[in-house]
Amino acid sequence: GAVVSQHPSWVICKSGTSVKIECRSLDFQATTMFWYRQFPKQSLMLMATSNEGSKATYEQGVEKDKFLINHASLTLSTLTVTSAHPEDSSFYICSASRLVDWTGELFFGEGSRLTVL
Amino acid sequence: QKEVEQNSGPLSVPEGAIASLNCTYSDRGSQSFFWYRQYSGKSPELIMFIYSNGDKEDGRFTAQLNKASQYVSLLIRDSQPSDSATYLCAVNMDSGGSNYKLTFGKGTLLTVNP
Repeated sequence: GAVVSQHPSWVICKSGTSVKIECRSLDFQATTMFWYRQFPKQSLMLMATSNEGSKATYEQGVEKDKFLINHASLTLSTLTVTSAHPEDSSFYICSASRLVDWTGELFFGEGSRLTVL
Repeated sequence: QKEVEQNSGPLSVPEGAIASLNCTYSDRGSQSFFWYRQYSGKSPELIMFIYSNGDKEDGRFTAQLNKASQYVSLLIRDSQPSDSATYLCAVNMDSGGSNYKLTFGKGTLLTVNP
């Protein structure tokens, strides 16, 4: 299957700092990537849809100024958590679809566990 | 609001038994349905997808879809301890096909006891 790589896997930061998470599709071009957040024992919650070359589409209740998404190329999307606070501590997962042969399947990155002290 | 509902469990079955996982969805126009498995601390991995009413089998896994009842299930035969994980049901609720978003249920925690 297609490979999506996410980096870093773990990050610990101080409150008030910004953290950038990268999501790369390694063997296919992804015009659309999705960013999810998952709190312990909760399901995946879609934060935003990242579109290559255009602005991301955010889900209701997600602050676009706090969670900056950049999708500058067909293989890379980044999520920056700005001015992070302890309540932003979560498991962030990106995913991508291989839209050329769209089956609905999402290929997930390994996830990034953010801990804000 | 478009929703995907799952019994959160935990569902506990003995090794070798059949595990049955159920999912209902609210949007009657949904076209594609997915089962993902998620081990603790890991990201989800796809087990199966199904588009048409009826059964679809892949090894020990069988997905069942009933669009009239808005119901999709996953059966795991000969359950193994390594099957212990959270199983997420996901639905593409955009019947127009232009939206590639999936809506996930909260997942069912399955424990297979040796």
